[in-house]
Amino acid sequence: GAVVSQHPSWVICKSGTSVKIECRSLDFQATTMFWYRQFPKQSLMLMATSNEGSKATYEQGVEKDKFLINHASLTLSTLTVTSAHPEDSSFYICSARAVLGDRPYGYTFGSGTRLTVV
Amino acid sequence: DQQVKQNSPSLSVQEGRISILNCDYTNSMFDYFLWYKKYPAEGPTFLISISSIKDKNEDGRFTVFLNKSAKHLSLHIVPSQPGDSAVYFCAASAVANFGNEKLTFGTGTRLTIIP
Repeated sequence: GAVVSQHPSWVICKSGTSVKIECRSLDFQATTMFWYRQFPKQSLMLMATSNEGSKATYEQGVEKDKFLINHASLTLSTLTVTSAHPEDSSFYICSARAVLGDRPYGYTFGSGTRLTVV
Repeated sequence: DQQVKQNSPSLSVQEGRISILNCDYTNSMFDYFLWYKKYPAEGPTFLISISSIKDKNEDGRFTVFLNKSAKHLSLHIVPSQPGDSAVYFCAASAVANFGNEKLTFGTGTRLTIIP
C-alpha cells in the first residue's frame, strides 16, 4: 500500500531557530501534499496544501512566512518552521495524495513530528 | 466553524461488544467520508470510507453508515477488541473541489475497549 515517511519523528529546538520537516511518498507519486497541525486533545487542523511545482495554498490564519512549504518533487514536500517560538510547539503531520486520485490512498498520512521549542 | 463534529469526546465499550462512533456534518457539499484511527504521537491510519451515493460500506469488523438527509455518519466496530482502543476521527471532503480537494476532520472520539 501507499506509504508516507515523515522525518524527524521528534525535534527539540531553541527559540528563534528554524526547523525543517520532511515528508516523502515512498511508493507512489504525490501531486498534492497536505500539512496538518494537532494540539493536544484537539482535531487535526489543515495548515496548507502544496502542489508539486507550485506555491502552497495556506489556510486562513496560517502565516506563510513562518511556515515555509516546498514541494519540489512528486515524492517530497518540506515544512520549515522559521524563527520558532514556544507557541509553535505542536504535532505536525503530513499527508500525501496519489496522482491517480485513488481517494483512500490519496490521504495517506505520515507518522507525524513532535516539535518542542524551548 | 466546525463543519464536522464528533459530539462524544470519549466512549468506553466492553470487549466483544459493538462500538458505535458518531459523526455529524453541516456542509452539504461533502460527498466523501472517511474514518481514521490514531494513536498518540502517530499519524492517522485510514480505516474505511464511504461515498455519498452509498448508505453503507463494510470491511471486516468495520461498517460505516451514512444518512445524508440527517447529515450523519457512524462507524460500527464489532466485535470490539482491546487493540481498537485509540482516537477515531471522521473526515469529509467534497468532490466538487477535486483538484483542490482537502479533508475536514472532526474533533475525534477516544474509544477505550474494556477487557
